[in-house]
Amino acid sequence: DIVMTQSPDSLAVSLGERATINCKSSQSVLNSSNNKNYLAWYLQKPGQPPRLLIYWASTRESGVPDRFSGSGSGTDFTLTISSLQAEDVAVYYCQQYYSTLPYTFGQGTKLEIK
Amino acid sequence: QVQLQESGPGLVKPSETLSLTCTVSGGSISGHYWNWIRQSAGKGLEWIGYIYSSGSTKYNPSLKSRVTISADTSKNQFSLKLDSVTAADTAVYYCAKGGGRDAYSDFDSWGQGTLVTVSS
Repeated sequence: DIVMTQSPDSLAVSLGERATINCKSSQSVLNSSNNKNYLAWYLQKPGQPPRLLIYWASTRESGVPDRFSGSGSGTDFTLTISSLQAEDVAVYYCQQYYSTLPYTFGQGTKLEIK
Repeated sequence: QVQLQESGPGLVKPSETLSLTCTVSGGSISGHYWNWIRQSAGKGLEWIGYIYSSGSTKYNPSLKSRVTISADTSKNQFSLKLDSVTAADTAVYYCAKGGGRDAYSDFDSWGQGTLVTVSS
């Protein structure tokens, strides 16, 4: 299985400041045939299911605010929130969907307001 | 956007079979991948498996011997059966739609989730 490791486990950021969450995969999730990274980001608020934010490592899902951005390639990825809003408090997960099943998720990063 | 809703018993006895159904509304299950994912405090988010609308399935190897996913296109539903459950199978179970951008994909729509507790 591809192991996804997120850092940090928790993060406190002031409103309006930048938040950065990292995700590292145990093997590359870059498909060389189409040059796409099979990596997604989700946020999950208490009592709710995860919500897709980013796919292909850097493409925002429809309706996701542009303060959310994804970057990285191969094994190292980053989710950045450019200016933290109160409604961004959540647990964030990365997920790989590279062709080697099973799909796997990171352990989650809890984002709070400082 | 499609909506998904899980249904089924919230309490299952050890060694019995967990059975859940996901009803899809606002769109057809045809032409998409439909997944089951569970979340427990101990193991985080765990992908269980998927079914394509044609009926082909893939399962997580860690659960493969106990899992069956099936679909009923006439009812726009798909289902999960997990045999021989133990307390370790206690979790919130989600159904989710594959993003459809590739055979392998993210999950772009999720049900609200249903808590299943395994206990006598």
